[in-house]
Amino acid sequence: DVKVTQSSRYLVKRTGEKVFLECVQDMDHENMFWYRQDPGLGLRLIYFSYDVKMKEKGDIPEGYSVSREKKERFSLILESASTNQTSMYLCASSLGGVNSGNTIYFGEGSWLTVV
Amino acid sequence: GDSVTQMEGPVTLSEEAFLTINCTYTATGYPSLFWYVQYPGEGLQLLLKATKADDKGSNKGFEATYRKETTSFHLEKGSVQVSDSAVYFCALSDMIAAGNKLTFGGGTRVLVKP
Repeated sequence: DVKVTQSSRYLVKRTGEKVFLECVQDMDHENMFWYRQDPGLGLRLIYFSYDVKMKEKGDIPEGYSVSREKKERFSLILESASTNQTSMYLCASSLGGVNSGNTIYFGEGSWLTVV
Repeated sequence: GDSVTQMEGPVTLSEEAFLTINCTYTATGYPSLFWYVQYPGEGLQLLLKATKADDKGSNKGFEATYRKETTSFHLEKGSVQVSDSAVYFCALSDMIAAGNKLTFGGGTRVLVKP
């Protein structure tokens, strides 16, 4: 089975702190994604990457950056955390495009609270 | 841009009741359509999908038909169980850069009572 592992399930950080959310997948997938999930808004794409060292902005990239130094690992960085970044963050990966029949696999999520 | 609208929850049902969750979409191209399910404390799992008009996706007793004329992809199950309690997300795919991304609806929480 494909496994997408997010290193932290629950985090509490202070306003202004730098926050790293780590994600690792074990199936040699090309594409990796970071979404945030908020009640009533569903999932919104922050950033995605379709290759090592490649990244593209999603719908809500402001206040975030990402890093993909190795194929299996995709990190989300909050340079200076703010309270409006309190949310559930979901990492996902896929072998190729979903329109080509590939499935996107999600991690269990990281609950981030910024106080 | 593309968007997905689904009925707000929570939807509360008794076991063995019929479930419908409405989903409509707007898209510029010809997207693929998906339903994802999120059980308590877990990530999202693909429930079913349809890639072209009139296709029917089905899994675990759930069904949804891709209706291009009404731009809809409603999810149905004839007899729900307590274990179907979860949040359900409708989504469409969109071509971006070298791959695809998913655009999600707001999610519908379903609670099935024994």
